[in-house]
Amino acid sequence: EAGVTQFPSHSVIEKGQTVTLRCDPISGHDNLYWYRRVMGKEIKFLLHFVKESKQDESGMPNNRFLAERTGGTYSTLKVQPAELEDSGVYFCASSQDSTGAEKLFFGSGTQLSVL
Amino acid sequence: LAKTTQPISMDSYEGQEVNITCSHNNIATNDYITWYQQFPSQGPRFIIQGYKTKVTNEVASLFIPADRKSSTLSLPRVSLSDTAVYYCLVGDEVNAGKSTFGDGTTLTVKP
Repeated sequence: EAGVTQFPSHSVIEKGQTVTLRCDPISGHDNLYWYRRVMGKEIKFLLHFVKESKQDESGMPNNRFLAERTGGTYSTLKVQPAELEDSGVYFCASSQDSTGAEKLFFGSGTQLSVL
Repeated sequence: LAKTTQPISMDSYEGQEVNITCSHNNIATNDYITWYQQFPSQGPRFIIQGYKTKVTNEVASLFIPADRKSSTLSLPRVSLSDTAVYYCLVGDEVNAGKSTFGDGTTLTVKP
């Protein structure tokens, strides 16, 4: 069974540019989460999808971040325009349980560097 | 969401048993406790989860006292490959995925 995959693994962009991160959850997992770790700090929750619907996006830092989950399958996280403080590692996780997060399966993350 | 406190780092030697304790004084009735392991350049990986007493699986045991204000992850006979960061998360079924991972405990296993 394929795990959670994230693309790209690394991205280097300049301030003001746009970057789109992609996450493919484990097939059949309705729940999809985005997290990020910036500046070596804690891994923090960004948002939660149940199928194609945003269940909770309370962790999204500002309106420069836009997450979508087309057809309840893969998800994208777009940062536009990117700022220096957006640099960090962005993780995606999925879970099967209908209540949400009983056992999360994580991808390897996308290392984003904004110069 | 209940906040957790763990030691920042621990050292051990191959073959030893390692116990990592997590404090969660404000744990709620519906919260359960989940531990994750993270290697460099990888995402966290689920290790074990429990609500009370003791849970054991093929890689670890989780001990939870009656008051549930703390929990201890026990790794039997660690090897060099167990060197990683270990996170303790607390949350209910709806909110656990929104937990902040905290600083975790960096375990270093030495030969």
